[in-house]
Amino acid sequence: DSGVTQTPKHLITATGQRVTLRCSPRSGDLSVYWYQQSLDQGLQFLIQYYNGEERAKGNILERFSAQQFPDLHSELNLSSLELGDSALYFCASSAAVPGELFFGEGSRLTVL
Amino acid sequence: GDSVTQMEGPVTLSEEAFLTINCTYTATGYPSLFWYVQYPGEGLQLLLKATKADDKGSNKGFEATYRKETTSFHLEKGSVQVSDSAVYFCALSLSGNTPLVFGKGTRLSVIA
Repeated sequence: DSGVTQTPKHLITATGQRVTLRCSPRSGDLSVYWYQQSLDQGLQFLIQYYNGEERAKGNILERFSAQQFPDLHSELNLSSLELGDSALYFCASSAAVPGELFFGEGSRLTVL
Repeated sequence: GDSVTQMEGPVTLSEEAFLTINCTYTATGYPSLFWYVQYPGEGLQLLLKATKADDKGSNKGFEATYRKETTSFHLEKGSVQVSDSAVYFCALSLSGNTPLVFGKGTRLSVIA
């Protein structure tokens, strides 16, 4: 158990819809990262927050947004969903040790 | 940009065979290098790391040496077990709190 909790574990929705994925980091970790894992693209970095502030942005679509709240949990919002958004979305958190990320079990999104 | 290239999988080995998974990187600076492992149905977890040239990371019988001259960080294990069946990701990080850049992953299957 990494200590990172993601909900929901599975989500099935239709094209054009909007979903929210939630992540609770390990106790005390200030950084939260979101990654998208798909079969053809591998593991793609989406966005990073540190103590409520956006720290880095990767290949995140404009239809996607995220935030980190004062209690340090984070949410990833995906809107106007397309079939190609079907993937496993991982949240990870880290403390002060560079590169040592702790991953949740992921949220599997299926868009039909 | 910074990138990581891993050997294509899947790799299938018999129990007690020797394992090598190749990883090379391209980076503008001097990265830290990591191997992460993803067991079926789980999130990624850190396997080992090396932060400077000639460092050797090791854990659970796996090891990898940071080779600056060949920009490589190949993963090796002398005798694999069925329980090592997983997807292995090579990754780099350029500085303390920057997001990890992952390779596409290599699936390993070990058969008894």
